[in-house]
Amino acid sequence: DIQMTQSPSSLSASVGDRVTITCRASQSISDYLNWYQQKLGEAPKLLITAASSLQSGVPSRFSGSGSGTDFTLTISSLQPEDFATYYCQQSSSTPFTFGPGTTLDLK
Amino acid sequence: QVTLKESGPVLVKPTQTLTLTCTVSGFSLSNLRMGVSWVRQPPGKALEWLAHSFSNDEKSYATSLRSRLTVSKDTSKSQVVLILTNMDPVDTATYYCARVQKHPILFYFYYYMDVWGPGTAVTVSS
Repeated sequence: DIQMTQSPSSLSASVGDRVTITCRASQSISDYLNWYQQKLGEAPKLLITAASSLQSGVPSRFSGSGSGTDFTLTISSLQPEDFATYYCQQSSSTPFTFGPGTTLDLK
Repeated sequence: QVTLKESGPVLVKPTQTLTLTCTVSGFSLSNLRMGVSWVRQPPGKALEWLAHSFSNDEKSYATSLRSRLTVSKDTSKSQVVLILTNMDPVDTATYYCARVQKHPILFYFYYYMDVWGPGTAVTVSS
């Protein structure tokens, strides 16, 4: 199975900050990488597919990049509704494993 | 509007079998490019991908659960069923179903879960 790691595991930031979350795969996954946002008590929400394609309706302050084994999710200017947990997921080969998540909270 | 909803028992005893149903609307389980995935999340922990199923009988399962997990579908009822045998307290989690898209780009398929059900909490306890 492909193992996914994320860093940091948690991050404290303020409204307006630029934040970057890193995701790493245990082997090359090309750009078969999705990002999800999950708020407390809610189901996950798809943000980005194919490493950098923003899902319809997702604000443009979210962006993704990377290929191979290293990927990033960037939020250019944090808004109050962005404080949540973020997961990466590889879809290069089954099982489609998730990363352990990065929790973004208010500083 | 695409919706999915999970249903099933809230409490199961150790060694029992869990059966969860995902009822979908707004898309057809006959669609070759759309299927259903199952994901679970133990309390306070990360998401864990469990399985997916497509109309052409393409199925895949999490390695650690392969011997205990089965996913089947009833297209006429727009339902996908997850069966997990020999339940253990470590299987306590919120179980989600989600629509999984199989999006072709050139010669490859990109899979992603774009619509999720609200989840159903299952506790394993005697």
